[in-house]
Amino acid sequence: EIVLTQSPGTLSLSPGERATLSCWASQSVSSSYIAWYQQKPGQAPRLLIYGASSRATGIPDRFSGSESGTDFTLTISRLEPEDFAVYYCQQYGSSPYTFGQGTKLEIK
Amino acid sequence: QLQLVESGGGLVKPGGSLRLSCAASGFAFSDYYMSWIRQAPGKGLEWISYISGSSNTIYYADSVRGRFTISRDNAKRSLFLQMSSLSAEDTAVYYCARHDRRYYDNSGYYPWGQGTLVTVSS
Repeated sequence: EIVLTQSPGTLSLSPGERATLSCWASQSVSSSYIAWYQQKPGQAPRLLIYGASSRATGIPDRFSGSESGTDFTLTISRLEPEDFAVYYCQQYGSSPYTFGQGTKLEIK
Repeated sequence: QLQLVESGGGLVKPGGSLRLSCAASGFAFSDYYMSWIRQAPGKGLEWISYISGSSNTIYYADSVRGRFTISRDNAKRSLFLQMSSLSAEDTAVYYCARHDRRYYDNSGYYPWGQGTLVTVSS
């Protein structure tokens, strides 16, 4: 089973700042099969990024994904008030399709 | 419009059973893999099972294998999760989700349903 470890657990930033969220995989993820999701309280997760770096339909271009080996990064270039939420990474390269434990992005 | 609507959640006693349903609309249901994902109160996301469009391919997480059964009825555009031998550790919001790439299991999930709460308690 591939274990995904997200850091930091909580990130405190202000609107307009840049956010960098990390996700480390315990082993290689085939074909860069990494997705990022945003979840707000009381809501279902929303797909942001798939294939490590491709934005899902309707996702603003301030969201971007990148990878370096087994390290994956979600970057939000300039935080908007609606971006404060919990973010999860997921690998879907090999079953079980595991999720990271999440990063909470909170307003400073 | 793409939509998934779960139903069937509720309060069940330890050792009991429950069947969840997920009604799909707005897309060619039989062409897509579907998954169930759960989220315990205040916790993260846990993938628990997926099924191919033809039902030929099914996978389970170790935590539910042997107790949960995923199935689908393409004619009724519905996905199901039969849960048995439930324990307090199964208490969670259960989401159904479509694999985003048509015909492929290797895909992010879009859309997700709104979730249905399962509470296992005596």
